[in-house]
Amino acid sequence: QVQLQESGPGLVKPSETLSLTCTVSGGSIGLYYWSWIRQPAGQGLEWLGRVHKTGDSNYNPSVKSRLTMSLDTSKNQVSLRLNSVTAADTAVYYCARDGHFVFEIWGPGTMVTVSS
Amino acid sequence: DIQMTQSPSSVSASVGDTVTITCRASQGINSWLVWYQQKPGKAPKLLIHAASTLQSGVPSRFSGSESGTEFTLTISSLQPEDFATYYCQQANSFPRTFGQGTRVEIK
Repeated sequence: QVQLQESGPGLVKPSETLSLTCTVSGGSIGLYYWSWIRQPAGQGLEWLGRVHKTGDSNYNPSVKSRLTMSLDTSKNQVSLRLNSVTAADTAVYYCARDGHFVFEIWGPGTMVTVSS
Repeated sequence: DIQMTQSPSSVSASVGDTVTITCRASQGINSWLVWYQQKPGKAPKLLIHAASTLQSGVPSRFSGSESGTEFTLTISSLQPEDFATYYCQQANSFPRTFGQGTRVEIK
């Protein structure tokens, strides 16, 4: 049974870089695309982007200039880096296995607050 | 970007009721419409994909349909565990976009 677990600092200062890791257990990350999705408190869902081990990726234009996603197949991990963060980046961040047309499996999410 | 507009934003219903949620896409999405259920403090859960295909393990009281750019999620015989927020999502093009959510509340 595939399980995802996000991890990273819960607090990031404005203008700094937010770095998160999604550790996948129960299956290889090399077979799928992996997406990051975020949700500000009490609000809806925003897809940030997706990445494949081949390097193929798609990013949301809303964050494209600040976002980098990557895979580490040796650790079975998916990473997100979002630089120059502001309070608007405060949200719960989810990683999800991307079945091209559906987000099939989600991690429980990790809360990130941007504040000085 | 394709805009997804859900209605209503919230609905109050009783156990046993039938609830219908609508999602309208700003342009054609070729049936690439997904429905998720989210409970407080939890990640969304996949319910229906390709507009009407029930995900394995999801109760048959959930169903999806489409008419052009309008998509519908129907929950028949609402159960206590169905009180949650429901989101639609288009998978036709990038960026993937979600509706704003519909909260199903207990009357």
